Amino acid sequence: DIQMTQSPSSVSASVGDRVTITCRASQNINQWLAWYQQKPGKAPRLLIYGAGTLHSGVPSRFSVTGSGTDFSLIINSLQPEDFATYFCQQVNSFPYSFGQGTKLEIK
Amino acid sequence: QVQLVQSGAEVKKPGSSVKVSCNCSGGSFANSAVSWVRQTPGQGLEWMGSIIPVYGSPSYAQKLQGRVTITADKSTTAVFMELDSLTFDDTAIYFCATSGGWWPGPADWGQGTLVTVSS
Repeated sequence: DIQMTQSPSSVSASVGDRVTITCRASQNINQWLAWYQQKPGKAPRLLIYGAGTLHSGVPSRFSVTGSGTDFSLIINSLQPEDFATYFCQQVNSFPYSFGQGTKLEIK
Repeated sequence: QVQLVQSGAEVKKPGSSVKVSCNCSGGSFANSAVSWVRQTPGQGLEWMGSIIPVYGSPSYAQKLQGRVTITADKSTTAVFMELDSLTFDDTAIYFCATSGGWWPGPADWGQGTLVTVSS
């Protein structure tokens, strides 16, 4: 099975900041990676996947870099609604494993 | 717009089974991959398995193999997840989600179903 390791586990930032969250796969997954945002009591929301395809309705301040085993989610100009928990997930092969999550908190 | 509506919360005894339904509307149900993902209280996300209704052959997480069964009813556009031999560790929120376009992973999600295992 492919293990996904996210870092950091939590990060504090201010509105307007740029934040980067990283995800490392235990083996090559090419670009078969997605990022989700989850708020308390809600289902995860797909944000961005593959080489940088934004899911419907997701603003362009979200972007990604990486391929192979090392990936990053970049959030530019943080907005109040961006404070949430973020997960990565690989869909290169079953089982479709998730990272353990990164909680983005207001500084 | 894809909508996924799941069945309501359940309370089950250890050793029993639970069956959660996921009703899909507004999308290409038969050709989409429908995944089940669970989330234990305060913890991360665990992919349980998925099915493409038109093919009907599910894939499961090895950890749950033998206890989980995912089925699809093409006539009603519903997908079901049944989990047997429940333990306290199975207390979680269970989500269904469909794939979107060419992306095989979960894209649009149901609201979640809380399953509580309690004696």
